[in-house]
Amino acid sequence: AQSVTQPDIHITVSEGASLELRCNYSYGATPYLFWYVQSPGQGLQLLLKYFSGDTLVQGIKGFEAEFKRSQSSFNLRKPSVHWSDAAEYFCAVGAPGGSYIPTFGRGTSLIVHP
Amino acid sequence: KAGVTQTPRYLIKTRGQQVTLSCSPISGHRSVSWYQQTPGQGLQFLFEYFSETQRNKGNFPGRFSGRQFSNSRSEMNVSTLELGDSALYLCASSRPGGDTQYFGPGTRLTVL
Repeated sequence: AQSVTQPDIHITVSEGASLELRCNYSYGATPYLFWYVQSPGQGLQLLLKYFSGDTLVQGIKGFEAEFKRSQSSFNLRKPSVHWSDAAEYFCAVGAPGGSYIPTFGRGTSLIVHP
Repeated sequence: KAGVTQTPRYLIKTRGQQVTLSCSPISGHRSVSWYQQTPGQGLQFLFEYFSETQRNKGNFPGRFSGRQFSNSRSEMNVSTLELGDSALYLCASSRPGGDTQYFGPGTRLTVL
């Protein structure tokens, strides 16, 4: 079974600074990988996903993520954070093919200081 | 294309009551999954329905049940509510082939 770890419960950055949120997964083959964002009281919005191919994936809102097979990681990055990026970020891993249910990490709460 | 919709958005119930939550998936999506989100447990998978059949099930007691209609709309029911059932209940839909889930805004259930 797959699993995903987000080592950082909270991350605090200043507006305009760069951001990297960590995600490590456990799965026997190349999984499907996702990053979602959740604003307070809202549902999850898909930021980006990786299935195969280019290991650097571009998403919405200026986010990108890089799949590193050797490190079993799929870290989310943004070069310059905006105050509106403050939210909860979830990494998820899914098994390719057939019926699957993604496994979600516990989330990382991003706090942005002005 | 309209997104996933969930009704109601907020609900307050008392212990022992039952509740029904509704989810309308994105047009063309036939898979609907339900999740419970709490601060302590995070996102936990409840069940998934595809073509009116439960295809996957998480580790929740039988008080939690669901169904899916022929138009892919889904409902989940919680009977004999407990205080610990207070949570944000999220519904997600995916197209046939099911590689990506798209979430609704959730229903915030408070049990008093």
